[in-house]
Amino acid sequence: DAKTTQPNSMESNEEEPVHLPCNHSTISGTDYIHWYRQLPSQGPEYVIHGLTSNVNNRMASLAIAEDRKSSTLILHRATLRDAAVYYCILRAGNQFYFGTGTSLTVIP
Amino acid sequence: DTGVSQDPRHKITKRGQNVTFRCDPISEHNRLYWYRQTLGQGPEFLTYFQNEAQLEKSRLLSDRFSAERPKGSFSTLEIQRTEQGDSAMYLCASSFSSGIRTDTQYFGPGTRLTVL
Repeated sequence: DAKTTQPNSMESNEEEPVHLPCNHSTISGTDYIHWYRQLPSQGPEYVIHGLTSNVNNRMASLAIAEDRKSSTLILHRATLRDAAVYYCILRAGNQFYFGTGTSLTVIP
Repeated sequence: DTGVSQDPRHKITKRGQNVTFRCDPISEHNRLYWYRQTLGQGPEFLTYFQNEAQLEKSRLLSDRFSAERPKGSFSTLEIQRTEQGDSAMYLCASSFSSGIRTDTQYFGPGTRLTVL
């Protein structure tokens, strides 16, 4: 199974940037890195994904290390609505491998 | 709202009973996935369909579990002879894949199963 390692929890002050790290040392050349987040009592929500290059969208940025063994999800200005569990996922073939994720607390 | 829908949202059953869950994907999505999520854990892949064909099953999917996607539209997940260990959130996701690049999965709200 493709494995990812994330801190169990992180805190951020509202309106400050947040950097959520993920290690995926067993990544293979064809594995995409996906990030999803999950609010309480809801299904996961897509955030961003990438293969080799850094990626930006309206929700976040994804910085991928040159060796691809780690990545960082960047929320540029955390809001209270960003409080959720963030999953860094390796996609291998047709399966997504979720870990336990990082629970992000946003402090007003 | 044209997102992924699941029914029922909650199901309480007694051990040994059979239960069936339904998932309606986003229209025109050709892929449909089922996941199971227990408290404090991330979702675990169970199975996926490409149109009506079930192409992959996790070893987590015991012979008490069966999934179908007739006509490549909605899908059902049936659990026979439920056990207390089956208590979990069952999530459905759909995506459109042209096979060239990776696809984005859109998740439903889930069905929470409690086996007494």
